[in-house]
This record gives sequence, C-alpha cells and structure tokens, in this order.
Amino acid sequence: DTGVSQDPRHKITKRGQNVTFRCDPISEHNRLYWYRQTLGQGPEFLTYFQNEAQLEKSRLLSDRFSAERPKGSFSTLEIQRTEQGDSAMYLCASSYTGDGYTFGSGTRLTVV
Amino acid sequence: AQSVSQHNHHVILSEAASLELGCNYSYGGTVNLFWYVQYPGQHLQLLLKYFSGDPLVKGIKGFEAEFIKSKFSFNLRKPSVQWSDTAEYFCAVSGNAGNMLTFGGGTRLMVKP
Repeated sequence: DTGVSQDPRHKITKRGQNVTFRCDPISEHNRLYWYRQTLGQGPEFLTYFQNEAQLEKSRLLSDRFSAERPKGSFSTLEIQRTEQGDSAMYLCASSYTGDGYTFGSGTRLTVV
Repeated sequence: AQSVSQHNHHVILSEAASLELGCNYSYGGTVNLFWYVQYPGQHLQLLLKYFSGDPLVKGIKGFEAEFIKSKFSFNLRKPSVQWSDTAEYFCAVSGNAGNMLTFGGGTRLMVKP
C-alpha cells in the first residue's frame, strides 16, 4: 500500500469518449501532482496543486484535459474526446511541500 | 527549463557485479535530486534523494548516489547487484521550490542470476 490511491487501475475506452480518473493522496500532503508515462519513457509532468489551487500546468495538458482538487484532498483528471495518443499510464503523486514525492500505482488508459 | 539525461537505456549485469547508472541534469538554480525505482508491475518507489549537505547520499537496498555539482551529475551506484534489483531506474530533478519533478528517460536494468 503506497498511501496514494488511484482509481480505476485500468480503463479501456472508445475514441471520442470522456474519461475521469481519481487520485486520493496521503492525507497530510498538501501538494498533488499528475504525470503521464508512456512505454519506455519517464513520467512527464502534467499539472500540480497546492491544496485546492492549481499552480502549474504543462503544455502537454491540452484543452481536452482538466484537473480539479475541489477541497484540497482528492483530485480528478478528466480527458474529453479521448484520442489514441492519450493511451498511457496516468500517475498521481503527493508530497508535503516538495519534500519527497509518493506515487500511486497509476491508471492505465487504453483508447481503442 | 530543466532536463534530465540518463545515458544508459539498457544495462545487463551478472549478480555480484557493480552498478553505476549515469544521470546528468540541466537546471539554472538550486536543485533537489532523486532516484526512483520501478519494479515490474509496481509503482515508482523512492530510492534516495539529495536536497543539501553531504553530496554522497545513501538510500535503501544498498544504493548510493553522488552529487557532483561541477559536472551536473547524480550517478547511482551499488557495489554488488542482486537478481532482485532487476527494474527500471529513473533519475529526477526538482527546483528548490519543490514544484514539479522532471524525470529522465529511465534505465532498464536486468540482473542475470
């Protein structure tokens, strides 16, 4: 048990559908990060929150992607009108002010 | 923008061999440095981290890394690898503000029994 929970573990969706992923961070952690990892690559930063404020977004985060952390606890990442290129592992991590990052097991998205 | 390079994409070693994985970073300010390991089918786990102080950092499972500021490097070492060290290893850097992590492309290590 990593302490960071992600749901679902796997998601298969048809191209054009919307999907939403959830991340529950370690409760004491004020920062929450989303990353994307494709096969053979290192994780790529998407966005991060400090409490409920979204502080930074990568250029990778197109307007089809949106993330929220409404009460500074769990977060959701939504992808609208999915494309095959969105197929990847979506990772969530949390930290207390950047002092070490704990990762979840990820949500593997397959767009068919 | 910060970037991380891991020069060895695949490494194959026999058990008991020594390991050194290279990591170079590019960043204009004070950095925090990390090594993560990802065993097959598992999540990323922190091996060790460097924030400040002694540039030789010891982590879990017998791993260590040395921060050489003049070379912008943070190489990972282990004197004697085991079959159970077979995994993918990622070097990562964050700025002093502790914002996002930037990862290298990873090194896939296979240890032959």
